[in-house]
Parts: sequence; structure tokens; C-alpha cells
Amino acid sequence: DVKVTQSSRYLVKRTGEKVFLECVQDMDHENMFWYRQDPGLGLRLIYFSYDVKMKEKGDIPEGYSVSREKKERFSLILESASTNQTSMYLCASSLAGGGAGSQPQHFGDGTRLSIL
Amino acid sequence: AQSVTQLDSQVPVFEEAPVELRCNYSSSVSVYLFWYVQYPNQGLQLLLKYLSGSTLVKGINGFEAEFNKSQTSFHLRKPSVHISDTAEYFCAVNPRGNLFFGTGTRLTVIP
Repeated sequence: DVKVTQSSRYLVKRTGEKVFLECVQDMDHENMFWYRQDPGLGLRLIYFSYDVKMKEKGDIPEGYSVSREKKERFSLILESASTNQTSMYLCASSLAGGGAGSQPQHFGDGTRLSIL
Repeated sequence: AQSVTQLDSQVPVFEEAPVELRCNYSSSVSVYLFWYVQYPNQGLQLLLKYLSGSTLVKGINGFEAEFNKSQTSFHLRKPSVHISDTAEYFCAVNPRGNLFFGTGTRLTVIP
């Protein structure tokens, strides 16, 4: 079974702090994704990566950056945390191959981040 | 542009009753279609997917969905729900790139 592990289930930080959210997958997946989940809005894509050292902006990248130095690890960085970044953050991974987009994404359990 | 509409934000249903969770999408290209389930305090799990072929797809936990191209719908059904089906359900489409999610339907099964 694919395992996607997010380093923290709950995190509380202060406004202006630099925040790191870590995600590791153990199935050699090429693709990795970061989403935020808010009530009534579903999941929105922040950033994604199709390869090591590669990153692409999703729908809501403002205020975030990412790092992918190794294939199994994808980090989300809040450069200067603000209260409107309080949310649930979900990491996912998927295989490449098949028709683009045909492979299902496998999700971690999420990090509930509160910015005070 | 792609969009996914889940018509019901909340669906209460009695145990052992049938349920249908509705999903409509719009896309200028053909898409792959997915349903995911999220149990409390967990990430999303894949229920089922439609890539091609038979328009009726079966998934885990007794769920199935039917792709209707003319109505651009992908409704999720289960003939008899169980208490353990209480969760949030997300429909998603992938037009050969990234996933676009609906806003979710919270299914509550009443004993």
C-alpha cells in the first residue's frame, strides 16, 4: 500500500513565522501535490511537482513556496504566515504514466495548521 | 476551463436506505473522473474512477458510479448504506493534467 506521511497532524504558529510542512511518500511516485482544504471550498491546488527539483504553480500559490530536493519528499513553505493561511493542508502523490491524469492520487492524513 | 459541481452539500439518509450523491462537471476536453471519500480526521481515499470503457464503474465498499457523457454527470450510488459510510465525498475530474475537485458532499447515515 502507498503511504504518504505528513510530518505533523496539528501545528500552531504565529503570524509572520516561516512555516515548513513536510510530506514523504514511500512508493517512488513521480508526481507530488500540495492542496489546502477549506469548508465549502473543497480542495484547491497550491503547488505540484512532476520530478525532482521541478515545481509548478497550482491555483492558489500566493504566499507559498515548495521544495523537492529528493523524489520522495515534497515540502510546502509558508514564507510569512498569515491568519488567512489557517487551514487543513493535504499532500498527495501519484505515478506518472498511462494517460496524463489517469493515475489516482494517494493522500496523506493532512496537517491542520492554525496561524495565531 | 474545468469545473465540478456537487449539487448537495449535505445528504442525511437512514441506515440501509439507498443513496445517490450527484456530481456534474464541465470541461472543453474529455476527462478522467474520480470519487474520493474522506473519513473524519483522515486524508482522502479513492472510491472509484472512470477512465474509459463501461460507463458503470464499481468501487470499494459497495459504491458505484455512472458516467453520463451527454449530461456531463458522474453520480455516485450505493443501494444500502451503513453507519460506517458517514463521511465527506468528493467528486474530481482530471482533464489530462491536474485534479479539479468539487466542494464535497457530507453524507450522514442515521441509525
